[in-house]
Amino acid sequence: DTGVSQNPRHKITKRGQNVTFRCDPISEHNRLYWYRQTLGQGPEFLTYFQNEAQLEKSRLLSDRFSAERPKGSFSTLEIQRTEQGDSAMYLCASGSGINQPQHFGDGTRLSIL
Amino acid sequence: QKEVEQNSGPLSVPEGAIASLNCTYSDRGSQSFFWYRQYSGKSPELIMSIYSNGDKEDGRFTAQLNKASQYVSLLIRDSQPSDSATYLCAVKDSSASKIIFGSGTRLSIRP
Repeated sequence: DTGVSQNPRHKITKRGQNVTFRCDPISEHNRLYWYRQTLGQGPEFLTYFQNEAQLEKSRLLSDRFSAERPKGSFSTLEIQRTEQGDSAMYLCASGSGINQPQHFGDGTRLSIL
Repeated sequence: QKEVEQNSGPLSVPEGAIASLNCTYSDRGSQSFFWYRQYSGKSPELIMSIYSNGDKEDGRFTAQLNKASQYVSLLIRDSQPSDSATYLCAVKDSSASKIIFGSGTRLSIRP
């Protein structure tokens, strides 16, 4: 399977804990995106990498959120000191060009107890 | 704030009929437009991309774009129960790399 892969699929944690998600993009794609989606809404942009460089960050990405793509391949998204409002589906997408479509992974569903 | 607007639905269409989904957007400079399908609990799946004014057909799906009116639509011919899903209209931000999504239209195909 050469699609976008995300792990874990589900994460349940207590408020205040740190969580980390991983995304492996389609291998030939150099662009990687993170989005967050809550029930009844479309995905909201969080951040964008081109190769290993983080080029764009949304104002939604508070200082509790950090993302990395150290070697321009897989990426991680970490949320520190989780809050109830962080409960959402976290989606990773990759793409091959600036105007090309983005292809999504299956997402990580985060539930904060 | 750049926006993509869709009717949330639900839109109920009988099996075999044409389903018509509409979307307007605010970013006049946008050049790339996408339709994604999302089943409940699943991630968005790309159906169509369109870049030029006019119609683009792919199987039972036709995307229509009118940049002057800032309007995108998706037609689904011969609707099937498996087409029941939420359809997300997405527009590439003209000044950034992100895609801006609408909140989606829920489509229900009744047998």
